[in-house]
Amino acid sequence: GIQVEQSPPDLILQEGANSTLRCNFSDSVNNLQWFHQNPWGQLINLFYIPSGTKQNGRLSATTVATERYSLLYISSSQTTDSGVYFCAVDFLMDSSYKLIFGSGTRLLVRP
Amino acid sequence: DAMVIQNPRYQVTQFGKPVTLSCSQTLNHNVMYWYQQKSSQAPKLLFHYYDKDFNNEADTPDNFQSRRPNTSFCFLDIRSPGLGDAAMYLCATSRQNWGREKLFFGSGTQLSVL
Repeated sequence: GIQVEQSPPDLILQEGANSTLRCNFSDSVNNLQWFHQNPWGQLINLFYIPSGTKQNGRLSATTVATERYSLLYISSSQTTDSGVYFCAVDFLMDSSYKLIFGSGTRLLVRP
Repeated sequence: DAMVIQNPRYQVTQFGKPVTLSCSQTLNHNVMYWYQQKSSQAPKLLFHYYDKDFNNEADTPDNFQSRRPNTSFCFLDIRSPGLGDAAMYLCATSRQNWGREKLFFGSGTQLSVL
């Protein structure tokens, strides 16, 4: 089946620093989404980004579908950015779409 | 405004005692999903409803059942919880099926099995 790998697995930043999270996937996908799971478990959809670049405040994401990767940029990080970042890809398998999550990047932003 | 609501936030049950988790949505979305997430792992899909059509994942244990009495509500029933079923259970919705739309998650129910 399709493999979704995220790197790095863990990241520690000082508040104000920038970072890039990566998501690689092993097969062609229909779509890709980035999620942030806060320390209380809430999953928030950050981006729906099958291709191209999108920006939302201090966050931006780029997906290069032909090369099977996506990047999430966090600029001027804040302590509230802490949590786990998941990418999830969906692709067609056995006549139905499956949404597969990567293993996540755990981010800690220190004040 | 909460759009996908899960109750309760924390649930404690006893080994083998049936438990039901609930999810409601105000988005009028067609699709509702149940995910299981164990500590430090990615969410794992258990099943989903597209409208009234139930779709079970092949590796979801028979111990897990679901009901969707109407568009707004969906329930997860665990018939005989084992210690290995302790996890966060996440409900999600989307307007259409699978990633063609954004997924919206509830805040989850943390289940403990004693």
